[in-house]
Amino acid sequence: KQEVTQIPAALSVPEGENLVLNCSFTDSAIYNLQWFRQDPGKGLTSLLLIQSSQREQTSGRLNASLDKSSGRSTLYIAASQPGDSATYLCAVLSGNTGKLIFGQGTTLQVKP
Amino acid sequence: EAQVTQNPRYLITVTGKKLTVTCSQNMNHEYMSWYRQDPGLGLRQIYYSMNVEVTDKGDVPEGYKVSRKEKRNFPLILESPSPNQTSLYFCATQGAAYNEQFFGPGTRLTVL
Repeated sequence: KQEVTQIPAALSVPEGENLVLNCSFTDSAIYNLQWFRQDPGKGLTSLLLIQSSQREQTSGRLNASLDKSSGRSTLYIAASQPGDSATYLCAVLSGNTGKLIFGQGTTLQVKP
Repeated sequence: EAQVTQNPRYLITVTGKKLTVTCSQNMNHEYMSWYRQDPGLGLRQIYYSMNVEVTDKGDVPEGYKVSRKEKRNFPLILESPSPNQTSLYFCATQGAAYNEQFFGPGTRLTVL
């Protein structure tokens, strides 16, 4: 059964720092991996989608990498800003079930 | 503007009173799904639909029903709500297999 784990569960950094959020999954049979942002009480906003054949995707200050063989993905946020404060979720689309399996999320606080 | 809408956004009801949460998308996507989000349990899929008149159970379907009579709408029905269905519900849509998922703003349901 596919399981997705995100470490750390919470992170607090000063503004301007570069940071890395981690996501690991137990089954390498995935179609893709997606990173989302969720603000308190709000919906999920898609940040980056990496297909299983890709190694990384970039959007602005965000860079996501995927190492399918080791079951890991990282989300790199450059020059963090207070507006980046949110919960970040990763989710894998299982190649066996076709379902999107979510991690528990990392709650990020960027202090001014 | 491409979007997924849900109504109502907030609902407080009592045990046993049937309710429907609507979901509508204007992206002409075939794939739609419902999730619930609970503290400590993350996001879990309730039901999904690959196309009109095609629906299937997700991981936690008990106590829920869905219908897909038109491509744009995918209502979630609780025939007899119970307090353990108090949760934050999200509708999501996806253009095709392996594509990015887009989420609605969420519906916060409280069952007393």
